[in-house]
Amino acid sequence: QQPVQSPQAVILREGEDAVINCSSSKALYSVHWYRQKHGEAPVFLMILLKGGEQKGHEKISASFNEKKQQSSLYLTASQLSYSGTYFCGTEWKGYNTDKLIFGTGTRLQVFP
Amino acid sequence: DAMVIQNPRYQVTQFGKPVTLSCSQTLNHNVMYWYQQKSSQAPKLLFHYYDKDFNNEADTPDNFQSRRPNTSFCFLDIRSPGLGDAAMYLCATSANRGFSYEQYFGPGTRLTVT
Repeated sequence: QQPVQSPQAVILREGEDAVINCSSSKALYSVHWYRQKHGEAPVFLMILLKGGEQKGHEKISASFNEKKQQSSLYLTASQLSYSGTYFCGTEWKGYNTDKLIFGTGTRLQVFP
Repeated sequence: DAMVIQNPRYQVTQFGKPVTLSCSQTLNHNVMYWYQQKSSQAPKLLFHYYDKDFNNEADTPDNFQSRRPNTSFCFLDIRSPGLGDAAMYLCATSANRGFSYEQYFGPGTRLTVT
């Protein structure tokens, strides 16, 4: 049961904001966020480990709502370099699997 | 710079002809992962190693095998590639297992099956 991301795709002008959501059907230990540019490997953005945790990385931040079993990634004042596909990766509570389950992905395109 | 290296970057093989993809890391990480990623899809975990402890995903085809001869190297063997195995294969590492460790990805090997 892969986490579901929404929206599937976003088109922005430079300077606009976006929110990407990641929802899981299972209780979560943690949420990871990665960005993958076309033809390249995923690059780590951040990990959220506790319910309610929020983190920031320049103009990219994220929150983790443990009760709702979801996380949101916030991109503010978007730049051309933000274009790519964003994946959340989740680790489920009660499953000693030591692995991430990647979400369905959100494709973000930023235009000048 | 410490990194994850994959060779080759592009591999073309014939239907049914065995192929081996390699991954090396200079990060000295305990955990190494192999993912398959098809176009417009998320990476799908095939298997991972914690040190030499091998963990296979239940839905990984028997056609796929892996070896980790030492900490630095990991190989993915596809014994009889089919057309459906054409994909990007990503190797990743993490310092340890557990939910607080980020994964570092290599650049990937794009496999074409003719």
